[in-house]
Amino acid sequence: NAGVTQTPKFRVLKTGQSMTLLCAQDMNHEYMYWYRQDPGMGLRLIHYSVGEGTTAKGEVPDGYNVSRLKKQNFLLGLESAAPSQTSVYFCASSSGGFQHFGDGTRLSIL
Amino acid sequence: RKEVEQDPGPFNVPEGATVAFNCTYSNSASQSFFWYRQDCRKEPKLLMSVYSSGNEDGRFTAQLNRASQYISLLIRDSKLSDSATYLCVVNTGNTGKLIFGQGTTLQVKP
Repeated sequence: NAGVTQTPKFRVLKTGQSMTLLCAQDMNHEYMYWYRQDPGMGLRLIHYSVGEGTTAKGEVPDGYNVSRLKKQNFLLGLESAAPSQTSVYFCASSSGGFQHFGDGTRLSIL
Repeated sequence: RKEVEQDPGPFNVPEGATVAFNCTYSNSASQSFFWYRQDCRKEPKLLMSVYSSGNEDGRFTAQLNRASQYISLLIRDSKLSDSATYLCVVNTGNTGKLIFGQGTTLQVKP
């Protein structure tokens, strides 16, 4: 019963490094989302996808890129990491109603 | 004005107490409503959907008032295990995007 799986779970980067966060879902959902959550703030939508091959900007897209080459996967990329991107990142998927979340990636940028 | 507003709390209540949270939303075209629960350092999980007629799941009751644009969650006979952050969530469009409130923190004490 995998649901939504995020990898990695933890990562420490240096400023300027790049990395990709992977989200995989096995529920055949059309919609997928990337959020970040910072202390004292709610979930903020970074990018989302309404289907394979399509992506769209959310509330805080700057500094991030995404790709949805396969329906089950949604990748979040940081091209040049900055300390302001230190956060907990959650991926979610849905069929249009409520969203199922992965258990998060804790990312620290030094 | 935030699209979804909640009192962040914390609400500190004794075991067995009844506690209620309210949430207001700004977009009158909002279509679907949910309460999620988030434990410390964990992913958000769906607690219950909220229907116009109101709905109950054990000790939890959710109500929607479209005219006043608010949603409520009532927890009866609070348990220690109810301690968490409760997120009010609204779906406003057909892309499956959800708008999350900041969350209300509940601490149930012995």
